Amino acid sequence: LAKTTQPISMDSYEGQEVNITCSHNNIATNDYITWYQQFPSQGPRFIIQGYKTKVTNEVASLFIPADRKSSTLSLPRVSLSDTAVYYCLVGLPYNYGQNFVFGPGTRLSVLP
Amino acid sequence: EAGVTQFPSHSVIEKGQTVTLRCDPISGHDNLYWYRRVMGKEIKFLLHFVKESKQDESGMPNNRFLAERTGGTYSTLKVQPAELEDSGVYFCASSQGAGASGMTYNEQFFGPGTRLTVL
Repeated sequence: LAKTTQPISMDSYEGQEVNITCSHNNIATNDYITWYQQFPSQGPRFIIQGYKTKVTNEVASLFIPADRKSSTLSLPRVSLSDTAVYYCLVGLPYNYGQNFVFGPGTRLSVLP
Repeated sequence: EAGVTQFPSHSVIEKGQTVTLRCDPISGHDNLYWYRRVMGKEIKFLLHFVKESKQDESGMPNNRFLAERTGGTYSTLKVQPAELEDSGVYFCASSQGAGASGMTYNEQFFGPGTRLTVL
């Protein structure tokens, strides 16, 4: 299983762009990169997934360099409600079973 | 559309007692998963149902844990007898069948979790 490393915590202010980088040096050829968000007292929620280059949806962008050994989740103009824990997961696209590995995540605090 | 629901939201029991957690997946989702986070640790996979069959139960910690999925609908996770180290938050998630609706990713939808405290 590809191990991931993320910063434990980050602080930001409302309106700023936040970039959270995840390192996954031993990512396998068929692995995808998936990000989940978790608010207190809720279960994790899917944000975005990508394989290479850049992926964008209505919530975030995901940047993946050519070597795929890292990825960056970008949240444009964060608000207080974006305060949450963000998890980077690496594995097969359907992420079944033991391949669905949550690390400690990055605790993002958005300040007014 | 209703999301994944879990019952109860909180449960406090004494060591040696039995507790049953319930999960109702999103209607039509064939896949149902159980996870848990024990105190200070990361979220860990427990098992995966496809309809009523156990696809993967490699994450179940021991034989005190029994999961069932009646008729491929809701699922229960029973802990008997409960131990102190079983305290934590138990999450359930569901997803459609692989490749459903042309999706390339079989997104898992999580419930809010059940917080179990064993005293």
